[in-house]
Amino acid sequence: NAGVTQTPKFQVLKTGQSMTLQCAQDMNHNSMYWYRQDPGMGLRLIYYSASEGTTDKGEVPNGYNVSRLNKREFSLRLESAAPSQTSVYFCASSGRQGLSPASTDTQYFGPGTRLTVL
Amino acid sequence: TQLLEQSPQFLSIQEGENLTVYCNSSSVFSSLQWYRQEPGEGPVLLVTVVTGGEVKKLKRLTFQFGDARKDSSLHITAAQPGDTGLYLCAGGLNDMRFGAGTRLTVKP
Repeated sequence: NAGVTQTPKFQVLKTGQSMTLQCAQDMNHNSMYWYRQDPGMGLRLIYYSASEGTTDKGEVPNGYNVSRLNKREFSLRLESAAPSQTSVYFCASSGRQGLSPASTDTQYFGPGTRLTVL
Repeated sequence: TQLLEQSPQFLSIQEGENLTVYCNSSSVFSSLQWYRQEPGEGPVLLVTVVTGGEVKKLKRLTFQFGDARKDSSLHITAAQPGDTGLYLCAGGLNDMRFGAGTRLTVKP
């Protein structure tokens, strides 16, 4: 099992360029997430997908779009990159642990993509 | 303003010392999670606390969930250099919110 994989690991863009960050998981999880991590801010949720075919906005969705391509893959697209989008981006997936109403989700994170927008 | 406030932001201690880090919120959570993140890697889940007043132990790490389910603490006994990392608390379901973290350095 590779877990959660992300590509690329590093990327440098110029302002206005577009790019797509790729994420895939092999744990048969229903839910997938995109976060960004900035110094002193912790992780902030950009978008999430609770199941194949659905996506929802998180805390900081502006400037981003997502696609849940299938159960395994969840991509994040920057249509027109801005310097404020310089960050480390993490993809995560989760599957419910246990069947009781009190059961909780464990999120498994990928290694991250370090993006710099000049 | 962070929904989850973590303190202290930075902590540097000597090997063998004990420490406690805190995660506080004005909101009630059905559960809180603690993660540890090492440089260049994604966070890894340490524990989930679900019941108010719950105490969970993971070797030298003790996690407590407040009675009102608004706060949590992580206590490390006899810290080791391998405990060095960024400790994050998180709460919520699909719309999970993370604290800014406590960056712990344990010096040999």
